[in-house]
Amino acid sequence: AQSVTQLGSHVSVSEGALVLLRCNYSSSVPPYLFWYVQYPNQGLQLLLKYTTGATLVKGINGFEAEFKKSETSFHLTKPSAHMSDAAEYFCAVSDRGTNAGKSTFGDGTTLTVKP
Amino acid sequence: NAGVTQTPKFQVLKTGQSMTLQCAQDMNHNSMYWYRQDPGMGLRLIYYSASEGTTDKGEVPNGYNVSRLNKREFSLRLESAAPSQTSVYFCASSATGTLNTEAFFGQGTRLTVV
Repeated sequence: AQSVTQLGSHVSVSEGALVLLRCNYSSSVPPYLFWYVQYPNQGLQLLLKYTTGATLVKGINGFEAEFKKSETSFHLTKPSAHMSDAAEYFCAVSDRGTNAGKSTFGDGTTLTVKP
Repeated sequence: NAGVTQTPKFQVLKTGQSMTLQCAQDMNHNSMYWYRQDPGMGLRLIYYSASEGTTDKGEVPNGYNVSRLNKREFSLRLESAAPSQTSVYFCASSATGTLNTEAFFGQGTRLTVV
């Protein structure tokens, strides 16, 4: 069975500061890993994903994440936070070859960006 | 390009009433899903449909039924609504069989059962 743990349900950073959102997963097989973002009163949209190949993946809006198999982690980072980054972020994992929508989602991390 | 469209966006029901949430996608995806989102609990899969004509239970199917009407449409029915079903419901779709296996989400339906 898969599981996802997002460390910290709320993260607050100052505008221009580093954003680090943590995600650890467990999976019995090599996983697909995703980060989704949800803005208020909207659906989720994909930020980035790891399926195969390079372990450092870049996504939209300057975000990136690194798949570290030895640490079973897929932390999300952005060098400089912008006010528009304030949202809820979800890490998700799915088994290779299964439907992406059958991912297991973490509980989410709400990012607040202070001016 | 509409993507995934859900109707209605908001709904208030009385306990015991029934309703159907509608979902349609225009991306020719095989797979469709219904999730519920509750505060601090992330997204939980209610039902999914891997392809037209098939449906399967997810993590929290009790109190719900689904219909995959055709490749585009996947509806979620609450036969007798309960306050515990107050939640935000999301429909999603994905292509299968390729590496581009990401889910595309609708805008959500905010349901309150009183």
